[in-house]
Amino acid sequence: DAGVIQSPRHEVTEMGQEVTLRCKPISGHDYLFWYRQTMMRGLELLIYFNNNVPIDDSGMPEDRFSAKMPNASFSTLKIQPSEPRDSAVYFCASTSWTSARNTQYFGPGTRLTVL
Amino acid sequence: GENVEQHPSTLSVQEGDSAVIKCTYSDSASNYFPWYKQELGKRPQLIIDIRSNVGEKKDQRIAVTLNKTAKHFSLHITETQPEDSAVYFCAASKGSNYQLIWGAGTKLIIKP
Repeated sequence: DAGVIQSPRHEVTEMGQEVTLRCKPISGHDYLFWYRQTMMRGLELLIYFNNNVPIDDSGMPEDRFSAKMPNASFSTLKIQPSEPRDSAVYFCASTSWTSARNTQYFGPGTRLTVL
Repeated sequence: GENVEQHPSTLSVQEGDSAVIKCTYSDSASNYFPWYKQELGKRPQLIIDIRSNVGEKKDQRIAVTLNKTAKHFSLHITETQPEDSAVYFCAASKGSNYQLIWGAGTKLIIKP
């Protein structure tokens, strides 16, 4: 298995631009999590899905952030408009209810820089 | 809601010595406690975990202990090596809820 795949790996954009981050979970996993990591705030859960349905989006900072999961193999996190304070590493992770553990497998992350 | 506190935020130990990182949780219903290691520039990866029906678990040089009464769990690394340098995160979850509540992380520095 290729593991969790994220794209792009690096994104540099200017304030006000739309940013779309993409994630492909491990095949067969039915939970998908989006995290944001910064030095100041650590690892923050933004939103998570179960069977493509958003379960908890209370961590989404504000209306500028939105996430979708149109099918079991693809999810997007969109920021519109982007701001410099959105600069962070964004991780996607997946897991399966059939797993004996609640092990979350992380993707390589997308490093976002908003100028 | 559930809260997980992790200490210390930074830990510096001499190579070969032991390192201990401690976490406390607030929700007594929590029953799953994983530890993740994140090397610089890499993704967090699970290194060991423990369930609430077990008090201790070992895997070579690492071990995790759980005290349900006190609601705390700890990561122990013995004979530390340079490759142990990383940020370590503890987390907790409960029941069928697959959401993990994360600690703030501990930066472990191994001095040569």
